[in-house]
Amino acid sequence: NAGVTQTPKFQVLKTGQSMTLQCAQDMNHEYMSWYRQDPGMGLRLIHYSVGAGITDQGEVPNGYNVSRSTTEDFPLRLLSAAPSQTSVYFCASSYHSMGSGTGNTIYFGEGSWLTVV
Amino acid sequence: QQQVKQSPQSLIVQKGGISIINCAYENTAFDYFPWYQQFPGKGPALLIAIRPDVSEKKEGRFTISFNKSAKQFSLHIMDSQPGDSATYFCAASISGTASKLTFGTGTRLQVTL
Repeated sequence: NAGVTQTPKFQVLKTGQSMTLQCAQDMNHEYMSWYRQDPGMGLRLIHYSVGAGITDQGEVPNGYNVSRSTTEDFPLRLLSAAPSQTSVYFCASSYHSMGSGTGNTIYFGEGSWLTVV
Repeated sequence: QQQVKQSPQSLIVQKGGISIINCAYENTAFDYFPWYQQFPGKGPALLIAIRPDVSEKKEGRFTISFNKSAKQFSLHIMDSQPGDSATYFCAASISGTASKLTFGTGTRLQVTL
């Protein structure tokens, strides 16, 4: 039972390079999202998706692109890496939450540590 | 704008003591309040969650207290154990908004022997 799988675990990029962080889930969840975690700032939402072919921006979307061609996969692309994008990135997934106040368990991957030099 | 404010930033508690972490929110549309536990090198994992129609929820040694009028909620860890040493995040969301959690800034808890 893999859950949410992220690759790579660690990556060092040079400023201006591009790369893709991969995320896959095997729980048939409709919702997937990407967060970044920075010291003293908690986790902040970058982009999210409510299903294949549907994506939307979160709180800090600039410099990142996403697409959702399948239910299982939700890659995050850094177009031109900047030192400000040095962070730990978490992919998450969940079922659709039904009704007010119900909320559903959101499952997180183990993170991708990215350093931009 | 920090929509969910969390305190303290760090906390040291002796084994067997009570750990208390507080959060306050601003957006009255939030209607789901989970707490996440994160160990070093791992992703956050759901610990316990509460809806605004109840004032308290208990699961084992973990209790959430919720005060809707004050827009505050807190996590109490009873009989704290060294294995509870981790970073704890409160969060809030609006149901049906696609896993869009707004997180607090986190509390690093250390439980000493």
